[in-house]
Amino acid sequence: QVQLVQSGAEVKEPGASVKVSCKAFGYTFADYYIYWVRQAPGQGLEWMGWINPESGGTNYAQKFQDRVTMTRDTSINTAHMEVNRLTSDDTAVYYCARGVGGTTRYFQYWGQGTLVSVSS
Amino acid sequence: EIVLTQSPGTLSLSPGERVTLYCRASQSVSSNYLAWYQQKFGQAPRLLIYAASTRATDIPNRFRGSGSGTDFTLTITRLEPEDFAVYYCQQYGNSPITFGQGTRLEIK
Repeated sequence: QVQLVQSGAEVKEPGASVKVSCKAFGYTFADYYIYWVRQAPGQGLEWMGWINPESGGTNYAQKFQDRVTMTRDTSINTAHMEVNRLTSDDTAVYYCARGVGGTTRYFQYWGQGTLVSVSS
Repeated sequence: EIVLTQSPGTLSLSPGERVTLYCRASQSVSSNYLAWYQQKFGQAPRLLIYAASTRATDIPNRFRGSGSGTDFTLTITRLEPEDFAVYYCQQYGNSPITFGQGTRLEIK
């Protein structure tokens, strides 16, 4: 069955970078966009962007365009998201997600989430 | 970008009751591409409804989505104990994708 398994929790200092991974199981990785959504503590959901695993093409929310990089490694069916110049406002659970169809923009499958804590 | 405003912020109800949650968009949602999610504490969101009114796989028929344009609703016809959670709407018809701020459904 379809599963998205994310990397473990991270603790970072302000100004540092963090890279979160999302490994796909149970389907052809290249056929479905991977989306990233984050959720600050006690807050709502925020879409960050997507990556097309087949081409490597990306689309970022304007808010994150200069600080976020999404990549993929098709040899290990894994998507990565790196956030640079972290601040305390980046403390959140980061989710990867996938739609029902290849480019479907609503999300049937979710990773378990990765907590990123930014603190000095 | 489209701003989604959910109401009410919190609802206190009892199992067995009927509830309607609201999601209003700041402009018309293209093709009524509006989804609803349920999220329980410490868990990832769960897709309930897409395209405003289509239930996702394995979602019980007590969950009903409706609406078009700027006004959408999610109705739970008879609340079960497992339905007490936070509910989010999401529009995906216009870029960027946006979410509402959520409605918390709590047990009275």
